Amino acid sequence: AQKVTQAQTEISVVEKEDVTLDCVYETRDTTYYLFWYKQPPSGELVFLIRRNSFDEQNEISGRYSWNFQKSTSSFNFTITASQVVDSAVYFCALTRPSNTGNQFYFGTGTSLTVIP
Amino acid sequence: KAGVTQTPRYLIKTRGQQVTLSCSPISGHRSVSWYQQTPGQGLQFLFEYFSETQRNKGNFPGRFSGRQFSNSRSEMNVSTLELGDSALYLCASGRDTEAFFGQGTRLTVV
Repeated sequence: AQKVTQAQTEISVVEKEDVTLDCVYETRDTTYYLFWYKQPPSGELVFLIRRNSFDEQNEISGRYSWNFQKSTSSFNFTITASQVVDSAVYFCALTRPSNTGNQFYFGTGTSLTVIP
Repeated sequence: KAGVTQTPRYLIKTRGQQVTLSCSPISGHRSVSWYQQTPGQGLQFLFEYFSETQRNKGNFPGRFSGRQFSNSRSEMNVSTLELGDSALYLCASGRDTEAFFGQGTRLTVV
């Protein structure tokens, strides 16, 4: 069974602070993919990153960085120097390649509020 | 490159009615998935279509159905609406294990 846990329901930070969003996953598969999505108030889930289970390299994209650790089944997301535009709900998700289709398993999301 | 387009954006229906939602995927994507998002249950998988065939289905009652056309556009139908069907319905298109989402259709059942 696949499961994604985002223990942080809501986080508030002051602008320019760094913030880390936690994601812990469960799967018995050896091949799987992890994702982060951002959901602004408009509703659309905006794709941020995809990482496969064989690539544990950390990734940095501008102010965003991701730390993938298979040993702890975690895929954490850090925003450096947060901005008001970062305020949104962030979802971590897991899927696995399958000929019978793709199903994404989402965490419950972390609502981030950046206070100016 | 156009993104995933969902229509309509907002919908108000009366309990007992039926509703059809539409999703146009990104050009070239053959997979279309549907998700229901509610405050209580979060994001839940409804079903996925690939090349006009339902490839995977979540744990929803038979009132929820869908189909995909030869141009990969997909429709989702909910019959005999219940108050609990009020939700944001999100469509995603992709290839392999990627998924790009539309803005969703917010359905309110009164």
